[in-house]
Formats: sequence, structure tokens, C-alpha cells
Amino acid sequence: NAGVTQTPKFQVLKTGQSMTLQCAQDMNHNSMYWYRQDPGMGLRLIYYSASEGTTDKGEVPNGYNVSRLNKREFSLRLESAAPSQTSVYFCAARERGSGTDTQYFGPGTRLTVL
Amino acid sequence: QKEVEQDPGPLSVPEGAIVSLNCTYSNSAFQYFMWYRQYSRKGPELLMYTYSSGNKEDGRFTAQVDKSSKYISLFIRDSQPSDSATYLCAMRGLTGGGNKLTFGTGTQLKVEL
Repeated sequence: NAGVTQTPKFQVLKTGQSMTLQCAQDMNHNSMYWYRQDPGMGLRLIYYSASEGTTDKGEVPNGYNVSRLNKREFSLRLESAAPSQTSVYFCAARERGSGTDTQYFGPGTRLTVL
Repeated sequence: QKEVEQDPGPLSVPEGAIVSLNCTYSNSAFQYFMWYRQYSRKGPELLMYTYSSGNKEDGRFTAQVDKSSKYISLFIRDSQPSDSATYLCAMRGLTGGGNKLTFGTGTQLKVEL
């Protein structure tokens, strides 16, 4: 049971290049999220998917697109990378139960855009 | 002004000390309050979860929520070097918007031997 996995762990891009960050969960949760974490800014929500087949914008969606491929997988795409997108990206899956509401985070992808 | 304010630290304490971590917020719609712990180069993990005002205790950890003051706290008793991490507060309203969380920027804690 790996929880939430992300690939790749590290990536260096040049300005204008594109890439897709992959996220998968093995916990059968409906909701999944993409965040970016920057020094002094905390975690900011990029996009989320409340259930399979739906996606919605978060706080900082510009420059990103997402795909909820199935219940397990939620990918984040940068079509034309910019230096401002240098960040650590986290994917999360949400478990909601009696007395708890937990987001389980992946290990993160460290992205540098030159 | 950010919706959630958190002192970034770093906070350095000796082993065994009582640690107090705090967040203030401005959105009165927030009803659920969480504390996440994040070790260096890892993803955050949920530490405490509380609903509305009051206290919640779990081992060495106590979470307090004072909605009248829009202030939440996390206390760590008998702090250990293994508690050295960044602590993030997070909160959300009752429903809607995918139940999105709003995070503080995190407080870096170091517990020294």
C-alpha cells in the first residue's frame, strides 16, 4: 500500500518546454488535489478533482492543465513552462470519514525551470 | 492580507520543552481546523483534526481552537528531536468548493538535544 505516488521526483526544464507530472493513489478516494509549495507562500491549490470525471480550478491555475484519467490517477500538465513555475508540487488524495477529514500527500516533485 | 497567518520561525527549543505553535485567520466561515507536520523533503502528514472551537488531545499533542478570537494553537509536550519539522495549519469551511483547504505558510521547529 503505497498511498499517493508521484513521478518524477525531480525535473529540470527550459523555459517553453512542456511536461506532465503524474500522480496515482491506491486508496480508492474520490477527491484528489494538486498543490504547489513555495518559500513564504505555503501550499497553494492549483487544481482539484472532487470525483472521477470532474476537475475545478484552485487558487493558482494559470499555466496548468489537469486530467483525471480514472479514479486512481490525476495528472498535472505544464504546456509552456516558465521560471515562475519553479516550485515543489504535491499531489493529495482526500479521505473523509466519521470524525476525520484527511488529505494524504505524495512525496512531491521538485521542478526547476531555467 | 493572507486569510491565514502563521509565524514562519524558525523556532528552536531544547528537548523536553513545551512548544506552542499558532495561527490566526480572518475568514469566519472556517469550521474545520487541522495541523500537518512536514519533514524536510517530504509531503505533509495530518497530525491533528478538530471541528469548531475547543480542545483535542492526542498523546503529546494538543490542538486548541478559539473561534471567537480566530486563533488556533498546537501544543507539543515533552518535545523530542524527532518533532523537528515544519508545522502547517490548515482550515476550511463547511461545504462547497471541493472542501478546499487554506494553509498557513508553516512554522519550522527544531528540537535540540
